[in-house]
Amino acid sequence: GQNIDQPTEMTATEGAIVQINCTYQTSGFNGLFWYQQHAGEAPTFLSYNVLDGLEEKGRFSSFLSRSKGYSYLLLKELQMKDSASYLCASPGAGNMLTFGGGTRLMVKP
Amino acid sequence: EAGVTQSPTHLIKTRGQQATLRCSPISGHTSVYWYQQALGLGLQFLLWYDEGEERNRGNFPPRFSGRQFPNYSSELNVNALELEDSALYLCASSPGDRPFYEQYFGPGTRLTVT
Repeated sequence: GQNIDQPTEMTATEGAIVQINCTYQTSGFNGLFWYQQHAGEAPTFLSYNVLDGLEEKGRFSSFLSRSKGYSYLLLKELQMKDSASYLCASPGAGNMLTFGGGTRLMVKP
Repeated sequence: EAGVTQSPTHLIKTRGQQATLRCSPISGHTSVYWYQQALGLGLQFLLWYDEGEERNRGNFPPRFSGRQFPNYSSELNVNALELEDSALYLCASSPGDRPFYEQYFGPGTRLTVT
């Protein structure tokens, strides 16, 4: 089966770096997605990792270790607008995206 | 390029009634997914349609059903509404039936059951 865990809440300061972790247990691994969801809005795609290593995309980077069943999203130079929920998700059998509960990030001045 | 659209934005129903939610995918996308996001809970997979057929469904009772039309738009029907069906229902589309295709989400329909 699939089980995805991530912290419920995190708080960080504007301009800082924050790492949001995600652990998963999947059979038939098909990669890991990260989405950002602002309150009351739809999730928007941030990254997709299927191979081990770090992928950088501007201020956001995502890391995957398949052997450890572990991923993280790294946000640099935090801005107030980065306050949102960050969802990790893995596609399983039948394209069913299984989401973690989401990590609510609060960026403070 | 227009994104995924959903209607209505908000829907208020009473217990026992039926609700119909609609979704138009991004042009060229053949797969449509439905998710439920109840307050305080994560997104739960409901249904997946591709090329007009139901390809997978999540752990929801049969009163949750839907269909996909020839133009790839989709409808989610919820019969015999219960209070716990109150949630944000999100539709997503992807360009094909591979699991690694990014799913693009619509703005959602907020269903309130009273």
